[in-house]
Amino acid sequence: DGGITQSPKYLFRKEGQNVTLSCEQNLNHDAMYWYRQDPGQGLRLIYYSQIVNDFQKGDIAEGYSVSREKKESFPLTVTSAQKNPTAFYLCASSSSLRGNTEAFFGQGTRLTVV
Amino acid sequence: DAKTTQPNSMESNEEEPVHLPCNHSTISGTDYIHWYRQLPSQGPEYVIHGLTSNVNNRMASLAIAEDRKSSTLILHRATLRDAAVYYCILRDDSNYQLIWGAGTKLIIKP
Repeated sequence: DGGITQSPKYLFRKEGQNVTLSCEQNLNHDAMYWYRQDPGQGLRLIYYSQIVNDFQKGDIAEGYSVSREKKESFPLTVTSAQKNPTAFYLCASSSSLRGNTEAFFGQGTRLTVV
Repeated sequence: DAKTTQPNSMESNEEEPVHLPCNHSTISGTDYIHWYRQLPSQGPEYVIHGLTSNVNNRMASLAIAEDRKSSTLILHRATLRDAAVYYCILRDDSNYQLIWGAGTKLIIKP
């Protein structure tokens, strides 16, 4: 079945450590996105990518980094510079960035800083 | 960027229709209206989207006001599995941000 796979589902990190969240899609989509969701809130865009080897900052990119070396993969690294990283992270993809395309989401990774 | 306004929560009885409203008074002519829903601790799920005309699919219907400043998501016969947070968002070819508000929490009573 086609879809988006995020791993791990739960992740614990010590303060000062970098962690990488995985996102893989087999939908052959060009566009991929990373969002952050805090309790009771909507989604906020961290980074997005329209095509391989290209990505753009979203609303809250500080303390995060991404890469897009393959069409199907868009990993997110949460660096030690992110002051409040505990959150629910969601990866999504769509066939393009055009407004009439639907986005498909993974099941999310819940990151907790201990 | 255009934003949307939704009620914080709504309640409905099982097997009855549900009408979820969304206001977007600053919508631009190229904005598509999208609806997603999210269950606790899961990723959002696409429901429906439209531009000007009303839209129907197997999950729901979308009614768009003639001036496009508001829209309504219609679930024709709610089930307990429809209990979720419903998000109304706007997206056009240049608005990659997909601004998300807090959505409407739909509670279905058996």
